[in-house]
Amino acid sequence: QKEVEQDPGPLSVPEGAIVSLNCTYSNSAFQYFMWYRQYSRKGPELLMYTYSSGNKEDGRFTAQVDKSSKYISLFIRDSQPSDSATYLCAMSLFTSGTYKYIFGTGTRLKVLA
Amino acid sequence: GAVVSQHPSWVICKSGTSVKIECRSLDFQATTMFWYRQFPKQSLMLMATSNEGSKATYEQGVEKDKFLINHASLTLSTLTVTSAHPEDSSFYICSARGKGTYTDTQYFGPGTRLTVL
Repeated sequence: QKEVEQDPGPLSVPEGAIVSLNCTYSNSAFQYFMWYRQYSRKGPELLMYTYSSGNKEDGRFTAQVDKSSKYISLFIRDSQPSDSATYLCAMSLFTSGTYKYIFGTGTRLKVLA
Repeated sequence: GAVVSQHPSWVICKSGTSVKIECRSLDFQATTMFWYRQFPKQSLMLMATSNEGSKATYEQGVEKDKFLINHASLTLSTLTVTSAHPEDSSFYICSARGKGTYTDTQYFGPGTRLTVL
């Protein structure tokens, strides 16, 4: 079983839709949870970062973490064509004196105008 | 926010030559830098982790003599692809983790596209 599972998509939605992106994980020791957005041929850009269960909102983006279910989500409200990108979930924990990071495979999102 | 730059953004070289890619943290001190490789439509593949002033730790299957990593200062790490071959053509991305408020996450550079002819 992979430590992090993420549906690769592609996910196509009409402009204005609410988008839900999800990841599940198996290691309950993960402490920090992140979402990155990557446009084609660009480096990933940090969108959201959280370390506790619950919701965190930033503009049109909401990150949700459910540690009891080992499930994280990213919601995008009023999606725009400019949101079309690959979204990577990531999580980390501090172990053996260093941070260990695990990335999901990414979900490709296409928002249709 | 934390900014990481990479140079060059793209490079084309002949087979057998060496290519150096620089990764810089512009507004924070990067205690750890990571180097990734990414093929089209695939996820990030961690190649190695480097801590400032010490030798890099390479992931299984990554040739340390092929991909030389130097993390000489808290703001600069370099990846040198030695004797590059066409199969080394890929998108190389660095990321950095720093001190203080930047401790818990990674900030990525814009990537370097390497094409070996």
